[in-house]
Amino acid sequence: EPEVTQTPSHQVTQMGQEVILRCVPISNHLYFYWYRQILGQKVEFLVSFYNNEISEKSEIFDDQFSVERPDGSNFTLKIRSTKLEDSAMYFCASNPGPISGANVLTFGAGSRLTVL
Amino acid sequence: GEDVEQSLFLSVREGDSSVINCTYTDSSSTYLYWYKQEPGAGLQLLTYIFSNMDMKQDQRLTVLLNKKDKHLSLRIADTQTGDSAIYFCAERVNRDDKIIFGKGTRLHILP
Repeated sequence: EPEVTQTPSHQVTQMGQEVILRCVPISNHLYFYWYRQILGQKVEFLVSFYNNEISEKSEIFDDQFSVERPDGSNFTLKIRSTKLEDSAMYFCASNPGPISGANVLTFGAGSRLTVL
Repeated sequence: GEDVEQSLFLSVREGDSSVINCTYTDSSSTYLYWYKQEPGAGLQLLTYIFSNMDMKQDQRLTVLLNKKDKHLSLRIADTQTGDSAIYFCAERVNRDDKIIFGKGTRLHILP
């Protein structure tokens, strides 16, 4: 069964450092997402991406965050200058697009970011 | 605003039925979802229901939707140890791209 893969599974970084989280969505999917879950809290929407541009973003997704699809397979989330409160599990997801009226997202296993 | 609430913990004896409840606030929700998260894994879609339905059954899973009360439930019949996980309720509003999740209910199976 096709799956969304994320790397790294766990990253530890110092406050102020830049972090790039990588995702390989399912190959024929058109919509890509990043969500995050701070320990014990809700799974929060960060950003959606379609047709090589951001289609929607949340208040959390400020200027510290950016997304990119640098080639035909990878979808990355960059945090420019990490803060302690960025420590969370970051989930990538994808869906096939308009043919899927239910907007069913397939999620990766997540990347745990720990900011010290 | 958009909000999804669910209780954080549920303990059930093996073989009994589990019922996980969820409430949501946005009456324009179009689809409602149940996702399952096992330790170290991602969010796996279990089932979803369109807002014009009130029930959906899929093997051991039954989803009930009360649109008037904005209440969604997931019933797992004959609960097994492999059902131990965190279950997330989620909604899609209008034609938005995004899906809004609850905090998740941790289901613990008692022997």
